[in-house]
Amino acid sequence: EVQLLESGGGLVQPGGSLRLSCAVSGLTFSAYSMSWVRQAPGKGLECVSTMRDSGDGTYYADSVKGRFTISRDNSKNTLYLQMNSLRVEDTAVYYCAKPAAGSPGYWGQGTLVTVSS
Amino acid sequence: QTVVTQEPSVSVSPGGTVTLTCGLSSGSVSTSYYPSWYQQTPGQAPRTLIYSTNTRSSGVPDRFSGSILGNKAALTITGAQADDECDYYCVLYMHSGNPWLFGGGTKLTVL
Repeated sequence: EVQLLESGGGLVQPGGSLRLSCAVSGLTFSAYSMSWVRQAPGKGLECVSTMRDSGDGTYYADSVKGRFTISRDNSKNTLYLQMNSLRVEDTAVYYCAKPAAGSPGYWGQGTLVTVSS
Repeated sequence: QTVVTQEPSVSVSPGGTVTLTCGLSSGSVSTSYYPSWYQQTPGQAPRTLIYSTNTRSSGVPDRFSGSILGNKAALTITGAQADDECDYYCVLYMHSGNPWLFGGGTKLTVL
């Protein structure tokens, strides 16, 4: 069974930092691109960052470019998202996800990030 | 900037058939975009229904089907049930730039 388990969310003040982690099991983690997708309260899904399987290609949404950094440790089957200079508008549930292309997509249960003073 | 388009809301009668569509602001959707569909109920993580245009994920009932209709991807639900009432998202795999482009979602009402 494929499992994606996020951790690291919480309450942080504007300008603060958080590091999200996603532990993946049940699939060959190193073979797939992985993404962080967020959903602000009452809004749709937004892919904020994707990292290719080899780790040498990354994508960031314009809204987080320069503030968020995605990384992965294929030896630990873990995906990370370092979030700096957090803003109120970054408040959302953050999902770790394996994109579906030629193979099934998988999602974690999400971790809530709240940016508030 | 390329945008994935979905109907904001659609309604269907219980037992009826409904088709949700997924288009591109510029150009046509083809199988090369590997369209995928996700179902999300309030407070829950998305669930993968369809990937690679028309492949059902494990455990998804066969009343959910995916296809290309004209220049759009489509999700058809036959025999709609009350618990199908939720949000549905289309995602296209882009071969450059943002690799995973989400539509705005369709809110399906069963009434």
